[in-house]
Amino acid sequence: KNEVEQSPQNLTAQEGEFITINCSYSVGISALHWLQQHPGGGIVSLFMLSSGKKKHGRLIATINIQEKHSSLHITASHPRDSAVYICAGGGGADGLTFGKGTHLIIQP
Amino acid sequence: SAVISQKPSRDICQRGTSLTIQCQVDSQVTMMFWYRQQPGQSLTLIATANQGSEATYESGFVIDKFPISRPNLTFSTLTVSNMSPEDSSIYLCSVAGTITGEQFFGPGTRLTVL
Repeated sequence: KNEVEQSPQNLTAQEGEFITINCSYSVGISALHWLQQHPGGGIVSLFMLSSGKKKHGRLIATINIQEKHSSLHITASHPRDSAVYICAGGGGADGLTFGKGTHLIIQP
Repeated sequence: SAVISQKPSRDICQRGTSLTIQCQVDSQVTMMFWYRQQPGQSLTLIATANQGSEATYESGFVIDKFPISRPNLTFSTLTVSNMSPEDSSIYLCSVAGTITGEQFFGPGTRLTVL
C-alpha cells in the first residue's frame, strides 16, 4: 500500500517569503495531488501531477517520478495562503492516500 | 468540475445511535469515495461506492458499521451505525473528474458523538 510522507509538518513564515512543501511516496502512483484545506474543513484541489511541473498563479508544483518526490512552492506568500496543504497519491478507482498535511501560517 | 453538497453539515449525536450522511453531485459520476478525517489527522479512505454494486471497503472499515448506498450516478449515502465518541470526525465524500481525474470534495459533515 502506498505511503505518503510530507514535510515539514508545521511551517510559519513571513509574508513575501518563498515556501516549499515536500512530499515523498513509497510506490508507483497514477497521479500526485496537492490539496488545500482551510479552517472549517473545505478541501480544494490545487494540482494533479503525473510528470513535470505545473503552475497556477503563485503556486508551482513539481514531481520527480524516478525519485518518487513532489514539491509545492508558493511564491510571494501572503497571509491568505495560510491553510493546511495535503499531498495525496493515487486516484482513479483506488481513491487517494493522504499525507498528514503541512500546517502553513503566513504572518503579515 | 463537479459541485458536491453534503447533508447534514454538522450534527451532535448520542452514543449508540446512527446517522446517515447524504452526498449529492451535480453531474453523473461512476465512482464516489467516502473519507473520514479524525480530529488533528489527515483523511482516510473509508470506501469506494459504485452505482449498481456493493461498496468496496478499506482495511479497518466494515459494512455493518458504515453501510453505503449508491442508488444512482449522482447520489450516495454513508451511515455511521451504533456510534461511539471515537466516530467523532469530519466525513467527506469525493468524486474524480471523468476526464482529468482531478478530485472534488464535498464540504464535509462534522460529526460529534457524545
